[in-house]
Amino acid sequence: GQSLEQPSEVTAVEGAIVQINCTYQTSGFYGLSWYQQHDGGAPTFLSYNALDGLEETGRFSSFLSRSDSYGYLLLQELQMKDSASYFCAGRGNTPLVFGKGTRLSVIA
Amino acid sequence: EAQVTQNPRYLITVTGKKLTVTCSQNMNHEYMSWYRQDPGLGLRQIYYSMNVEVTDKGDVPEGYKVSRKEKRNFPLILESPSPNQTSLYFCASSFQSGGLYNEQFFGPGTRLTVL
Repeated sequence: GQSLEQPSEVTAVEGAIVQINCTYQTSGFYGLSWYQQHDGGAPTFLSYNALDGLEETGRFSSFLSRSDSYGYLLLQELQMKDSASYFCAGRGNTPLVFGKGTRLSVIA
Repeated sequence: EAQVTQNPRYLITVTGKKLTVTCSQNMNHEYMSWYRQDPGLGLRQIYYSMNVEVTDKGDVPEGYKVSRKEKRNFPLILESPSPNQTSLYFCASSFQSGGLYNEQFFGPGTRLTVL
C-alpha cells in the first residue's frame, strides 16, 4: 500500500518563502505530484517529479529524493492568493494516492 | 474548452434513494477516477478506470458502483445512499493511469448530502 504524510497546517508571511514537506511509503514508486486547492474549488495540478532533484515552475519549485522517500513543495514570494490547501500525491503499484493536505495561510 | 464536467453540482437526498452523479470529459483521456473529500481526510479514491469497460476499486469503494461504457463518461452510482456518504465528490481524468506524467484534471465537484 501507500501512504503520504504532510503537515496539516502552515502559516507564512506575504513575500516570504515556505516549504511544504511530504514523506511517503509506497510499494513501488513512479513519481510525486503536487496539487493546489482553493476553498470551494477543485484541485489543480502544480508539478510532478519522477526523478531526484528540483523542478522549477515560476514561483513554485518541487523537489524529490527517492532514496529518502521525501519531497517538498517550495513557494517563493508568497502572495495572499497562495492561501490554499496543497496536496502531495504519489503513484506506486496502484494509481494515484493523495496525502491529507497542508493548509497554507498567507498573512500580511 | 478542455474540461471535466460533473452533474449535479449540489444534491440533497434521503437515505436509500438511488442516485447517479455523472462525469464527462472532452480530452479523450483513457484514465478516469472518482474521489471523495472529507475534512481532515484529504482525497480518497473510490473507483478508477484505465479505459472503456475496465474499472477497479480504489481505497473506499463500499456503497458505490461505476461503469465505463464510453471513453468520455464515468458515472458514479449510489444504489442505497447512507448519511456516511455525505461528502464532496470529485471526478478526474488523465491520459494514463499515471505513467511518467500524471497530471489529473478535476471536475468542479459535487456536494452530496444524504439525510
